[in-house]
Amino acid sequence: NAGVTQTPKFQVLKTGQSMTLQCAQDMNHNSMYWYRQDPGMGLRLIYYSASEGTTDKGEVPNGYNVSRLNKREFSLRLESAAPSQTSVYFCASSEFRQGVYGGSYEQYFGPGTRLTVT
Amino acid sequence: AQSVSQHNHHVILSEAASLELGCNYSYGGTVNLFWYVQYPGQHLQLLLKYFSGDPLVKGIKGFEAEFIKSKFSFNLRKPSVQWSDTAEYFCAVIAGNNDMRFGAGTRLTVKP
Repeated sequence: NAGVTQTPKFQVLKTGQSMTLQCAQDMNHNSMYWYRQDPGMGLRLIYYSASEGTTDKGEVPNGYNVSRLNKREFSLRLESAAPSQTSVYFCASSEFRQGVYGGSYEQYFGPGTRLTVT
Repeated sequence: AQSVSQHNHHVILSEAASLELGCNYSYGGTVNLFWYVQYPGQHLQLLLKYFSGDPLVKGIKGFEAEFIKSKFSFNLRKPSVQWSDTAEYFCAVIAGNNDMRFGAGTRLTVKP
């Protein structure tokens, strides 16, 4: 299993350009997520998709759109890139694990996309 | 929404020193807690997790964490760090749904 894969690994955009970050998982997970990681701020949730056909906003959705193409794929689109969107973007997927005392979602992360907007 | 605070931004230790990284969360209900590690240039990997039950959780690579409900804390510990533990450590919480919130991270540097 490849787990969670992301393309591209690196991208440089000019302000105003658009692009789509691709994410795919082969673990048959229902839920998928997009995060951005900025120094000193940890990971912040942009959008997530609890299941195929649904998407919801996270903490920082402005300037982004997402598409849950099918169960495997969840893409993130920047329609008009801005320097403030310079960041490392991580995709994740999760499944619900039922334990002895209860259950939780455990997330698996992709390798990240380093995006620079000039 | 729940939030997570990691009070140590950068910790520098010598090899064999003991480690404790603080994590506090703000949510009054049932939570699931996680510690992730990110080695330089790599993606996040799960160190350990707490669902419920025994508040002392053991993870990989000799790490453990203790959930103290009265203090809303989930501190990460390791008795003796190694140079290879140099990384960034993130505490995270899920409260009642699958919306995970992360702390800002603590960068650990272990000097050989």
